[in-house]
Amino acid sequence: EAQVTQNPRYLITVTGKKLTVTCSQNMNHEYMSWYRQDPGLGLRQIYYSMNVEVTDKGDVPEGYKVSRKEKRNFPLILESPSPNQTSLYFCASSPIQQGKEAFFGQGTRLTVV
Amino acid sequence: AQTVTQSQPEMSVQEAETVTLSCTYDTSESDYYLFWYKQPPSRQMILVIRQEAYKQQNATENRFSVNFQKAAKSFSLKISDSQLGDAAMYFCAYRSAQGAQKLVFGQGTRLTINP
Repeated sequence: EAQVTQNPRYLITVTGKKLTVTCSQNMNHEYMSWYRQDPGLGLRQIYYSMNVEVTDKGDVPEGYKVSRKEKRNFPLILESPSPNQTSLYFCASSPIQQGKEAFFGQGTRLTVV
Repeated sequence: AQTVTQSQPEMSVQEAETVTLSCTYDTSESDYYLFWYKQPPSRQMILVIRQEAYKQQNATENRFSVNFQKAAKSFSLKISDSQLGDAAMYFCAYRSAQGAQKLVFGQGTRLTINP
């Protein structure tokens, strides 16, 4: 089954404690990205990757890091989480060809206290 | 930069009735894609319908159809014969036909179905 898998689905952490949210896709997609969803703001792109070892900032990259060492994996790293990073996070993947559907993970609800 | 605006934070409709969700966008590009996504309480993002800007014909998927007005930069979603399972948050999204495949989302509209 074609899917994007995020882990964990729920996470509560304390300010400053480094965390990683994993994302894996089994569709051999080149393009992967991370979004955060906040009430009244919709989803906003954090980082994206066009292929292995190629990453770039989205609209709200501050406080986040990513890596793309393998085509299937695109982890999101919060080196020193702060309460304003409390949000719902989505990983998405799509083929590099234009017009193709993006597939989303199940979402990760992160709370930073 | 492109922007997407959904001016209706909440909408409600009686079961079996028709409801229209509004979406406007701003872009200087001529070639792009528009999408409506559904997000039920499970949080999963589900693609409802898509529209290519170069196609004049409005997209239709069963009970879901769009009214795409390119000159007005408007992209509304019509849900016919509303069902309880249609209750969800709906997001309108824009994607350029060139360069990176970033989706630009609207703020979302929460749709309630009244039995």
